[in-house]
Amino acid sequence: GAGVSQSPSNKVTEKGKDVELRCDPISGHTALYWYRQSLGQGLEFLIYFQGNSAPDKSGLPSDRFSAERTGGSVSTLTIQRTQQEDSAVYLCASSRVGSGGSEQYFGPGTRLTVT
Amino acid sequence: GQQVMQIPQYQHVQEGEDFTTYCNSSTTLSNIQWYKQRPGGHPVFLIQLVKSGEVKKQKRLTFQFGEAKKNSSLHITATQTTDVGTYFCAAPSGGSYIPTFGRGTSLIVHP
Repeated sequence: GAGVSQSPSNKVTEKGKDVELRCDPISGHTALYWYRQSLGQGLEFLIYFQGNSAPDKSGLPSDRFSAERTGGSVSTLTIQRTQQEDSAVYLCASSRVGSGGSEQYFGPGTRLTVT
Repeated sequence: GQQVMQIPQYQHVQEGEDFTTYCNSSTTLSNIQWYKQRPGGHPVFLIQLVKSGEVKKQKRLTFQFGEAKKNSSLHITATQTTDVGTYFCAAPSGGSYIPTFGRGTSLIVHP
């Protein structure tokens, strides 16, 4: 079946602009995660959704970052007034349940470049 | 919060040599997962360990979970160039549902 998809695959934006990143999880997966990965670095947790609710937003770097999930499916991550330090690959993952013991399936990521 | 420490950060090997990466936690883990990320790719799930002392094998890869469930290792026998990538461990942090990822070990295999 279809895996996790993300769009766009690449996004170049000017500093100060807003960007919206989209994630389509695997159908039926209730848990959805957003991570950020800078070049050569590990995975930085941003936010977790269980269904449409986000019980853990602790990883969002600032109030410029927000995310929502509708219909228990598609999620969007919005970055307002982008800064150069926001440049990174943004990865989305989904899992069947959010128990912490369920394998995560990652999307291909969105590479964001802020100029 | 809980941290999962992963070592080494980088490992260069000659093709055919063995490779091991380790993950350590100061607290008991309910489970641990391992992922592989090829250069330019995204993390791909390899395996999950749940039981104390558990050992699982996938071809040339051997995964172990310590008796105290505080550490884990991934061992690759006779590395091949296709093994190149970064290997991450991930484990839930306390009562959280959020797996905490280690920093990863980047494996470079020289032909």
